[in-house]
Amino acid sequence: AQSVAQPEDQVNVAEGNPLTVKCTYSVSGNPYLFWYVQYPNRGLQFLLKYITGDNLVKGSYGFEAEFNKSQTSFHLKKPSALVSDSALYFCAVRGPGGSYIPTFGRGTSLIVHP
Amino acid sequence: KAGVTQTPRYLIKTRGQQVTLSCSPISGHRSVSWYQQTPGQGLQFLFEYFSETQRNKGNFPGRFSGRQFSNSRSEMNVSTLELGDSALYLCASSPEGVLEQYFGPGTRLTVT
Repeated sequence: AQSVAQPEDQVNVAEGNPLTVKCTYSVSGNPYLFWYVQYPNRGLQFLLKYITGDNLVKGSYGFEAEFNKSQTSFHLKKPSALVSDSALYFCAVRGPGGSYIPTFGRGTSLIVHP
Repeated sequence: KAGVTQTPRYLIKTRGQQVTLSCSPISGHRSVSWYQQTPGQGLQFLFEYFSETQRNKGNFPGRFSGRQFSNSRSEMNVSTLELGDSALYLCASSPEGVLEQYFGPGTRLTVT
């Protein structure tokens, strides 16, 4: 069975500082990994994905994520946080070949302080 | 392109009633999935439809059902509502061969 862990319920960061939202996963075979963001009263919005290739993946709004196979992690990062980045972030995994049912983490609330 | 739309956005029902939620995917997207989002359980996969056929199903009781029409629009139905069915129900669509999903704003269902 596949699983995703987001160990932090909440991350606080000051505007302008770098941010990291952590995600670790468990899946048989090579994973397909995703990050989504959810703003209040909205659905999830796709940020970026790792399928294969370069371990550093760049996505929307200046976000990037680093795939680390040995640590089974896929942490989301941004060099300089904005107040508008405050939202709920979800990591998701799908199994080899993109086997269909994605598993989502519980979500991490990112709060960026002015 | 217009995004995924879901109707209604908010719904209040009484225990024991049934409810139908609707989802219109992004034009050209043939895969539609449904999720239940609650503070306690996070996002739970309900089912996925592709070309009017249910392709995958999550671990939910038979009270939860869905269907997809020839224009890819989808509906999900919950019968005999329970208080625990109160949640945000999200619909997501994707084009064939694309693994990421595009979500609608959700329907907030409250069961009293």
